[in-house]
Amino acid sequence: AQSVAQPEDQVNVAEGNPLTVKCTYSVSGNPYLFWYVQYPNRGLQFLLKYITGDNLVKGSYGFEAEFNKSQTSFHLKKPSALVSDSALYFCAVRIGNFNKFYFGSGTKLNVKP
Amino acid sequence: GAVVSQHPSRVICKSGTSVKIECRSLDFQATTMFWYRQFPKQSLMLMATSNEGSKATYEQGVEKDKFLINHASLTLSTLTVTSAHPEDSSFYICSAGSGGLADTQYFGPGTRLTVL
Repeated sequence: AQSVAQPEDQVNVAEGNPLTVKCTYSVSGNPYLFWYVQYPNRGLQFLLKYITGDNLVKGSYGFEAEFNKSQTSFHLKKPSALVSDSALYFCAVRIGNFNKFYFGSGTKLNVKP
Repeated sequence: GAVVSQHPSRVICKSGTSVKIECRSLDFQATTMFWYRQFPKQSLMLMATSNEGSKATYEQGVEKDKFLINHASLTLSTLTVTSAHPEDSSFYICSAGSGGLADTQYFGPGTRLTVL
């Protein structure tokens, strides 16, 4: 079965510190991996995606993610967190021959001043 | 990025009534749209895949007669919650893409449905 795991329900970081939001996946084909962010009572906003090529993907708002095939991970990172980064983050995977997304459970990021 | 709109953003209705939610891709054509349901502090649950010009594909456990989906054009999909009950209260989100598995899905802002 295809699945995406976000092992942390919540991540707390201080403003200015680096942040990491973890994501691992289990799929039976080549994955297309995505990160989305959701602010309260809003839809999801696209941050970045990995399709092929360079394992380090850069996205919106200074976020980046590294695809690690051997560890089946796609962790989201940012060198210096902002208070405004506080939101709910979702990792998602899409697999060849399956025309739908599988979402992780979400990780709430809290950035404190 | 591409823009997806949803209307209404918030609706309150009485139990037993039907509610229609619209999802529009504003600056691109979407052959496929997805409908999700999200409960508080939970992830998105895929309800159905809406294909333009054909019947929607529902996920297991989702009542197709309860949640009617119509994808009449390449820019519009509608979700109708028929005979709504309080347990149908939720946040409904649609997404759309212009095609291809590597394609980014763009999400609407969501519709908060409250059934009294």
